Amino acid sequence: AQSVTQLDSQVPVFEEAPVELRCNYSSSVSVYLFWYVQYPNQGLQLLLKYLSGSTLVKGINGFEAEFNKSQTSFHLRKPSVHISDTAEYFCAVSDRGDKIIFGKGTRLHILP
Amino acid sequence: DADVTQTPRNRITKTGKRIMLECSQTKGHDRMYWYRQDPGLGLRLIYYSFDVKDINKGEISDGYSVSRQAQAKFSLSLESAIPNQTALYFCATSDPPMGGLSQPQHFGDGTRLSIL
Repeated sequence: AQSVTQLDSQVPVFEEAPVELRCNYSSSVSVYLFWYVQYPNQGLQLLLKYLSGSTLVKGINGFEAEFNKSQTSFHLRKPSVHISDTAEYFCAVSDRGDKIIFGKGTRLHILP
Repeated sequence: DADVTQTPRNRITKTGKRIMLECSQTKGHDRMYWYRQDPGLGLRLIYYSFDVKDINKGEISDGYSVSRQAQAKFSLSLESAIPNQTALYFCATSDPPMGGLSQPQHFGDGTRLSIL
């Protein structure tokens, strides 16, 4: 069975500092990985996805993630955060493409 | 206009009442999903439908039912609401896998449901 672990429930970061949000997954077959962002009072929006090919994936708003098969990780990074990045971020995994399993989310707090 | 529309956006009701949450989409996707979001628990799948004649239970279907009235419409019902069903509910849609590759889901803005 597949599962997703987001190691941090909350991450405080100063504005313009870099950030990494951690995600580890488990799956017995090939995986497809996603990061979603949820801004206050909104639904989830797709940030980026890894389906195949290059292990470094670039998404919207300057975010990127790296698929690491040996460490079963898909950490999300941004070199310089802005106050507008304040949101909850969800890592998700799918194997056969039938369903997506979401992690419990990481709240990113941007400090002035 | 939003591609995935949920109504109502907010609802407060009493224990024992029957509640229906509605979802409609203009994306032309065959697959539709209902999730609930609780603080610290992420999103949990309630029901999903891969086409009009297909309905499947998710991990937390007890106490809920669904109806896929058309390709574009998927409603979630709570037959007799209880307080622990207080949560944020999301509808999502997606295409089926393409070339064997999973496709991302597209979400509505959610329905905040409070059961007193």
